[in-house]
Amino acid sequence: AQKVTQAQTEISVVEKEDVTLDCVYETRDTTYYLFWYKQPPSGELVFLIRRNSFDEQNEISGRYSWNFQKSTSSFNFTITASQVVDSAVYFCALSEGGSEKLVFGKGTKLTVNP
Amino acid sequence: EPEVTQTPSHQVTQMGQEVILRCVPISNHLYFYWYRQILGQKVEFLVSFYNNEISEKSEIFDDQFSVERPDGSNFTLKIRSTKLEDSAMYFCASSAGPKGAREQYFGPGTRLTVT
Repeated sequence: AQKVTQAQTEISVVEKEDVTLDCVYETRDTTYYLFWYKQPPSGELVFLIRRNSFDEQNEISGRYSWNFQKSTSSFNFTITASQVVDSAVYFCALSEGGSEKLVFGKGTKLTVNP
Repeated sequence: EPEVTQTPSHQVTQMGQEVILRCVPISNHLYFYWYRQILGQKVEFLVSFYNNEISEKSEIFDDQFSVERPDGSNFTLKIRSTKLEDSAMYFCASSAGPKGAREQYFGPGTRLTVT
């Protein structure tokens, strides 16, 4: 069965600090996809990134970077030089290759204080 | 930039009433989804829809729920007889490809309150 664990319920940092959000997943499939979504206080879900299980290359997009490690079943998300606008709930999600659904973790609430 | 839209943004209904939540997916997407998020909890999959039929559904999606694509643009979720526990944010999503091969883009959600 597929499962996503985000052990950090809430994180609070001061602006300009770096912060890493952890995501650990479980799946029996060899083909799967991993995602990160951002949910700001306004409530919508904003897509950030998608990775497939065959591509372990880390990715950087501006201040955001993602570290995918199959050996530890982790897909961690780092925000460098955090800003107040980064304050949101961040969800990690998993889709097994044969399934339509996204299985979400419980989310990590990030608060960036000025 | 194309986006998924949902109406209404907030719906209040009495227990036992029927509600229809509406979504307009991104125009060139073929795969459609409904999820829900009970306040403060994680996002849960309800149903996926492709080629005018349900392709996958969760155990939450029982006989009280139905989905429809009544025309070329709208995608609806109907709850026949609402219960208090149906109170949640309902998100519609669409994708250009199936089964995680392409990302799902979410609408802003409809907050359903059942009293």
